[in-house]
Formats: sequence, C-alpha cells, structure tokens
Amino acid sequence: TQLLEQSPQFLSIQEGENLTVYCNSSSVFSSLQWYRQEPGEGPVLLVTVVTGGEVKKLKRLTFQFGDARKDSSLHITAAQPGDTGLYLCAGASLALSGTYKYIFGTGTRLKVLA
Amino acid sequence: SQTIHQWPATLVQPVGSPLSLECTVEGTSNPNLYWYRQAAGRGLQLLFYSVGIGQISSEVPQNLSASRPQDRQFILSSKKLLLSDSGFYLCAWSADLPNYGYTFGSGTRLTVV
Repeated sequence: TQLLEQSPQFLSIQEGENLTVYCNSSSVFSSLQWYRQEPGEGPVLLVTVVTGGEVKKLKRLTFQFGDARKDSSLHITAAQPGDTGLYLCAGASLALSGTYKYIFGTGTRLKVLA
Repeated sequence: SQTIHQWPATLVQPVGSPLSLECTVEGTSNPNLYWYRQAAGRGLQLLFYSVGIGQISSEVPQNLSASRPQDRQFILSSKKLLLSDSGFYLCAWSADLPNYGYTFGSGTRLTVV
C-alpha cells in the first residue's frame, strides 16, 4: 500500500517566520502535487513537480521534488496569515487500469498568527 | 474554462436513510472523475474513480456505491446510511495525464445522526 506521510501534522507560527513541510514515501511517483485547502472547501492545486530534483517557486512558496521522486518539500518564506490552511501533497502513480491515481498525504495544518 | 459543481453543500441524514450526492463537470469531455472522503480535516481517502460512462472502480469496501450515467456526471449513493458514513465528501476531475492534478468541487459535509 502506498503511503504519503507529511510532517509536521500541525504548525503554528508567527507572521514573518519561515517554515518547511515534508512529504515522504517509500514509493516512487510519476509526479507530485501540492494543494492548499481552506475550511469547508475543496483543495486547490498549487503546483505539480514531475522531474526528480525539480524545484518550483510560486511567490514565497518553494517546492522541491526529491531526486528519487519519493519525497517532496514545501518551504514558505516570510509566512503571512493568508497562508493559513491545510497543505496536502499527492503522488501520482499508474494504476492497473491504465489510468493515473493520486495518493494523498496525511496533511499539514498551518496556522500563521498576525 | 472547466468548472465542477457538487451539491448539496451540507446534508444531515438519519441512520438508515438513502444518500445521493451529485457532481457535474463543465467545459471538458471524457474526464476522469473521483469521489474522496476526508475525515476531520486530514488527508483524503479515495472511494471511487471512473474513466468513462458506466465504468466505476471501487477502492475501499464500504456502504457506498457510485455511478456515472453521463460523461460529465458522477453520483455517490447509499441505500442505508451508517453513522460512520459521516464526513466531508469531495468530487474531483482530472485529465488522464500524470502531471495534470485534480480540480475539486466545493465538497459536501454529510452528518449522519
């Protein structure tokens, strides 16, 4: 069974601090996505990384895919209250049916205090 | 542009009652469709996915079923709800590409009482 473990599970920081969220697995994924979810809403896709070692930046967010495509990290610089939410990673793998399935991580709940 | 609609937003149902949640997608054809359940603001558990009309794959044995009567319509059902069916249900669509990602609906909060 493929599992994606995220750490930390909860994180409460002050505005302006930096943080890193990790997403780890023993399985190899063809791509990995990061989502942010706010209470009562569906997750929203932030980024997709495809190549081992790939780094993508989205304003103050930096995403990295591990060289072996088994893990990923999300780094937020100078966090703001608007960054508050549940961050989810999701790994894509090819199912026996020939379609792609996404396995979601356990989630990291971030709260940024003003 | 593609949009996904999911309803209702909230639902309170008694134990033993039936369930029908509907999801429709606009602006794309032949999407892959998914039903997920999320417990207590944590990770998502895949319940069903469909790659075409009438094609349903079940991931977890449970009290629920899914159907895809039309290309862009995905329905989650139950004949008799259990307390354990309570949760946040999310519908999503994706193209069948490894780096496409999901677009999620706004979710349905189901409370079984």
